[in-house]
Amino acid sequence: EAEVAQSPRYKITEKSQAVAFWCDPISGHATLYWYRQILGQGPELLVQFQDESVVDDSQLPKDRFSAERLKGVDSTLKIQPAELGDSAMYLCASSRTGGSSGYTFGSGTRLTVV
Amino acid sequence: GQQVMQIPQYQHVQEGEDFTTYCNSSTTLSNIQWYKQRPGGHPVFLIQLVKSGEVKKQKRLTFQFGEAKKNSSLHITATQTTDVGTYFCAGGLGGQNFVFGPGTRLSVLP
Repeated sequence: EAEVAQSPRYKITEKSQAVAFWCDPISGHATLYWYRQILGQGPELLVQFQDESVVDDSQLPKDRFSAERLKGVDSTLKIQPAELGDSAMYLCASSRTGGSSGYTFGSGTRLTVV
Repeated sequence: GQQVMQIPQYQHVQEGEDFTTYCNSSTTLSNIQWYKQRPGGHPVFLIQLVKSGEVKKQKRLTFQFGEAKKNSSLHITATQTTDVGTYFCAGGLGGQNFVFGPGTRLSVLP
């Protein structure tokens, strides 16, 4: 079964440092999402891509977060500088256009900012 | 903004008992999806409901979408220890934009 690949699996960083996460969606999935999930809460959308274009980044803290999907395939989410409140699970998901079969989530990157 | 709520927040049941979680939206939804997240895992898609009043079944799981398309429920009959996890609803706002609820965490005691 096809999977969404994410790396790293875990990341510990000091506050004010830069950190980056990588995601490779399922082949053929045009739509890619980055979600943040704080422990005990539901996933919150950070950014949505359709191919290489940003569809929705209204909840992305743009002063410190950036995301790109240059060739419409894999994607990178960056935080600079990291803050203590950024500690969370960062989940990448992808779906076919239309999304009727739901999102396929990756295993996520667990970020701890110290 | 768009709000999707779920109750209860936690549910502890004895194995074999039934379980239900409810999802409510402040506005009318285009569709609704349900996901299950095992402890330490990531959300896994279960099902999508689109039509008003729609009911779908997957073995012991029954999903309903309200007539007004503002609420939904997931019912598990005769829970098993493998049902443990957090169940999320995700309300569709149109297109591929979904808002996740906070989830209901299910514990099943053997």
